[in-house]
Amino acid sequence: EVQLVESGGGLVKPGGSLRLSCAASGFTFSSYSMNWVRQAPGKGLEWVSSISSSGTYIYYADSVKGRFTISRDNAKNSLFLQMNSLRAEDTAVYSCAKDTVMAPYYFDSWGQGALVTVSS
Amino acid sequence: SYELTQPPSVSVPPGQTARITCSGATLPKKYACWYRQKSGQAPVLVIFEDSKRPSGIPERFSGSSSGTMATLTISGAQVEDEGDYYCYSTDSSGNHRVFGGGTRLTVL
Repeated sequence: EVQLVESGGGLVKPGGSLRLSCAASGFTFSSYSMNWVRQAPGKGLEWVSSISSSGTYIYYADSVKGRFTISRDNAKNSLFLQMNSLRAEDTAVYSCAKDTVMAPYYFDSWGQGALVTVSS
Repeated sequence: SYELTQPPSVSVPPGQTARITCSGATLPKKYACWYRQKSGQAPVLVIFEDSKRPSGIPERFSGSSSGTMATLTISGAQVEDEGDYYCYSTDSSGNHRVFGGGTRLTVL
C-alpha cells in the first residue's frame, strides 16, 4: 500500500523559511516523479512543483518560482520542499502526491498534508 | 499562466444526472482528469485520461472531452457523491500541471 506522510509544517513569520518532508513507502520511490500540491484554507487545489524520478527535471508554478526548491533523496525514499521568503498567501496545507508511472502524468496517490501558516 | 475554468457549484436532486464542465485551451490536445475531495480528506481520482474510470469508482461516473471542454457526468447522483470536484490537466508543454477552480456538487 502506498503511503505518503508529510512533516515539517508549522507557523512561520512573513519572510521566513520552512522545509517540508514527505516520507514515501509501499512503492519503488526512485521510479516515480513526485509533486507538491497545496490548498489554502477554503480554497481550491494548486499544483506547486514537480520533480522527475532522478531529480533531473524540475518545474514550479509561477507563484512559487524563485522562492521554493523541490528536491528528493531516493536512497531515503524522501521528498522535500524548501520554502523561502514566505508570504501570507503561502498559507496552506501542503501535500505530496505521486505521479503515474508513465505519461500522461497525473496524481494517483496523495498524503494527508502538512499545514503551513505564514503570519506575524 | 494556463487556466482551467469550472462552474463554482452544481446542484441536482438525488437520482438525477449531474454534469460538471471544465474548459481549457489545451484540452483538445491534453487529457483531463477529475478528482473528488470531501471535507478534510485527500482528493480521490474518479476519472483519468478524459473518460477512464479507476477501479472502485462506480459506473455512474463517466467522463468525456470535446474541443476545449471536458465534462464529468454522474448519472443518477447519490448523496454520497457530494463534494468538491476538480478537473486537472497540463499546459501545452506537459510540464506545468493545473487544476480547475473546483465545483461544489450538492445532491439534495
